[in-house]
Amino acid sequence: EIVVTQSPGTLSLSPGERATLSCRASPSARYILVAWYQQKPGQAPRLLIQDGSTRATGIPDRFSGSGSGTDFTLTISRLEPEDFAIYYCQQYGGSPPFIFGPGTKVELK
Amino acid sequence: QLLESGGGLIQPGGSLRLSCAASGFTSSSYALSWVRQAPGKGLEWVAVISGSGGVTFYADSVKGRFTLSRDNSKNMLYLEMNSLTAEDTATYFCARGATTVDPFDSWGQGILVIVSS
Repeated sequence: EIVVTQSPGTLSLSPGERATLSCRASPSARYILVAWYQQKPGQAPRLLIQDGSTRATGIPDRFSGSGSGTDFTLTISRLEPEDFAIYYCQQYGGSPPFIFGPGTKVELK
Repeated sequence: QLLESGGGLIQPGGSLRLSCAASGFTSSSYALSWVRQAPGKGLEWVAVISGSGGVTFYADSVKGRFTLSRDNSKNMLYLEMNSLTAEDTATYFCARGATTVDPFDSWGQGILVIVSS
């Protein structure tokens, strides 16, 4: 079974702080490509990062993605008030085509 | 823009068809997926269809019960859902990807489906 995990489950931080979110993709997948999404309450998710490190159109450069193999990281260099949300990691490109992680909630400390 | 419709309350064992209207882009050039989110839970990919409509993939949880189709002449995506159970209760999002294996760069606002007696 292909499983994507994320840690921590919740991150309590203050505006201006750095956020580091982790995603572990399933090693049993033939291809491991990772995207990151942000979701705020009552809204649809928004694509932030694809191919592990490529920012989507219009995404501020305080968001960055890194990683290789099965371990990936989303970093928000300095949290803005609008960045408090849930972040989902997605493994894609294999079979099944898309698997989401359980999410990391970035909450106001 | 992607706009879902067709949600609502349905009894267990029933059927429902969701629709997604695409606008502002050439829909046949993109794959379209459904992603659902149970109340208070995370995201679950449901199904994807290629731009031409010739290729579809389904999550194991819906395979054999849900059918995905599209009408590019009307810029419409459809999800036929049968044998619904309480576990299918969720907000269903329509989402766009460049191909059937690319991430989703545009999403609809979602439509709620409640399966309950």
